[in-house]
Amino acid sequence: RKEVEQDPGPFNVPEGATVAFNCTYSNSASQSFFWYRQDCRKEPKLLMSVYSSGNEDGRFTAQLNRASQYISLLIRDSKLSDSATYLCVVPRGANAGNMLTFGGGTRLMVKP
Amino acid sequence: GAVVSQHPSWVICKSGTSVKIECRSLDFQATTMFWYRQFPKQSLMLMATSNEGSKATYEQGVEKDKFLINHASLTLSTLTVTSAHPEDSSFYICSAWTSGLSTDTQYFGPGTRLTVL
Repeated sequence: RKEVEQDPGPFNVPEGATVAFNCTYSNSASQSFFWYRQDCRKEPKLLMSVYSSGNEDGRFTAQLNRASQYISLLIRDSKLSDSATYLCVVPRGANAGNMLTFGGGTRLMVKP
Repeated sequence: GAVVSQHPSWVICKSGTSVKIECRSLDFQATTMFWYRQFPKQSLMLMATSNEGSKATYEQGVEKDKFLINHASLTLSTLTVTSAHPEDSSFYICSAWTSGLSTDTQYFGPGTRLTVL
């Protein structure tokens, strides 16, 4: 099993749609999890941190299932500006000061 | 807050030359800095972890003599790609981390795009 695994997509959705991405991880000792967003030819930017069962920020909801070792990201009311690659990131240790393992990313394309 | 800069943004060089990339944390002191590499259509791959004043820890398969890392201060780390070859062409991204910030995350620099001819 890969350390962090994501469906590469692309997910092509119309504006206003709800879309969900899943990510599975292999390190059962991981305590924190992150979703980053990366635009083409740019650096990753933090979208959400997940420490307990989940986190919600506006249109974005992240959920964590420790038993099954997966994290999900839900985007409601998709905007054209949401088009990007979404990276699931898991630290090897207890926090982000440890080495991060990046998933391969899921590409989202929101169309008018 | 928590801004990380990289210089240069892009560089084109001839095969065999060495290229130095700087990574600076502008408004905080970084306990640890990381160097990543990203090839087209792939995700970020960690190259090395660097703590101020100590030797960098390299990931398996990354040649320490080819990718020299110097972490001279809590706000500056440099990556030197020595004797660069076309296969070293990539997007190099640094990140910085310290404890105590409002959000526990690594802050990424804008990246340096290296093209070796």
